Amino acid sequence: KAGVTQTPRYLIKTRGQQVTLSCSPISGHRSVSWYQQTPGQGLQFLFEYFSETQRNKGNFPGRFSGRQFSNSRSEMNVSTLELGDSALYLCASSLAGGPGEQYFGPGTRLTVT
Amino acid sequence: GNSVTQMEGPVTLSEEAFLTINCTYTATGYPSLFWYVQYPGEGLQLLLKATKADDKGSNKGFEATYRKETTSFHLEKGSVQVSDSAVYFCALSKPGNQFYFGTGTSLTVIP
Repeated sequence: KAGVTQTPRYLIKTRGQQVTLSCSPISGHRSVSWYQQTPGQGLQFLFEYFSETQRNKGNFPGRFSGRQFSNSRSEMNVSTLELGDSALYLCASSLAGGPGEQYFGPGTRLTVT
Repeated sequence: GNSVTQMEGPVTLSEEAFLTINCTYTATGYPSLFWYVQYPGEGLQLLLKATKADDKGSNKGFEATYRKETTSFHLEKGSVQVSDSAVYFCALSKPGNQFYFGTGTSLTVIP
């Protein structure tokens, strides 16, 4: 069974631009969660989608948004990028409901210049 | 609220040494507890889990016991190898699938 895939793996953007990251969960997994990982703040939860609905949300500004499609694939969008948005963005999928374990993708490394 | 606190790193050990990484949690109800490992340049991988009090999770020589009385889930391994060098994250999850992660503990094992 294929694991969680994230695209692109690396991205360089300029301040003020917007970016969209993609995540394809493990087949059959209906929950997708997004995390931001930085050296200073560690792993911070952004949001979780389940069956196309946002079920949980972390404490991030509205510039961070996401969605999930009917095939469970998910996208995350960050608008008006700031230097502080430079991070590794991790996606994790899990089966329906909780609290089962999450399976992580390799991440997208975003650099904002 | 819900949170996870794990010991500060970095931790440096010689090969075959005993490893303990402390993890304590704060949560209402009965969370599930996890240890994840992150190797350089990769995402997190589930190492072990425990879903109720007194459960012991184990994998690849690592163990952790869910202690509700001390709200702890310490990670242990009797004899570490160079290949165990990685960052280790303690986490809890609540119904509804919201996860809370610790800040991570970096482990370096030297030959």
